[in-house]
Amino acid sequence: TQLLEQSPQFLSIQEGENLTVYCNSSSVFSSLQWYRQEPGEGPVLLVTVVTGGEVKKLKRLTFQFGDARKDSSLHITAAQPGDTGLYLCAGLNTNAGKSTFGDGTTLTVKP
Amino acid sequence: NAGVTQTPKFQVLKTGQSMTLQCAQDMNHNSMYWYRQDPGMGLRLIYYSASEGTTDKGEVPNGYNVSRLNKREFSLRLESAAPSQTSVYFCASSEVGYTIYFGEGSWLTVV
Repeated sequence: TQLLEQSPQFLSIQEGENLTVYCNSSSVFSSLQWYRQEPGEGPVLLVTVVTGGEVKKLKRLTFQFGDARKDSSLHITAAQPGDTGLYLCAGLNTNAGKSTFGDGTTLTVKP
Repeated sequence: NAGVTQTPKFQVLKTGQSMTLQCAQDMNHNSMYWYRQDPGMGLRLIYYSASEGTTDKGEVPNGYNVSRLNKREFSLRLESAAPSQTSVYFCASSEVGYTIYFGEGSWLTVV
């Protein structure tokens, strides 16, 4: 079983602060995805990273895939209350045909 | 713009009762999934179907059965509900390696 560990599990910060969420595994993944989930809704895809070392930016969010394709990070600059939610990473194993999800990081950004 | 539709949205069951969660997708995806999400946690895969006519166990299949009725529909059945099955259930679909699209969730309480 491929496991993905996310840290921290909970994060509460003030508006304007920066933060980083980590997603780590001992397994190599074909690609890694980050999802954001708001209360009462299903997760929604933010980004997919495929190449080792890849960095993708989505406005104030920066995603990085580790060189060995075993880990990833999500950095948010100048967090806003609208960033509040559960952030989930998901590693895809193409051979298995399915993704493994981490337990998520619950982010609360206070005004 | 329906995407993934699952029913019912809310259900209360007594221990030992049975029920079926229905799911349909209109994106012509080959792969469909059923996940459960417990409070403060990520998604755990119950069953998945890589294509019409095939189903495979995920991480937590005990107590559940599935049917891939056709390419559009993938149902999840609880034969004898237990309190440990109280959770939020998400149906999802995708093409392998691409975005996973989730339904809005089904809140199940077993008393």
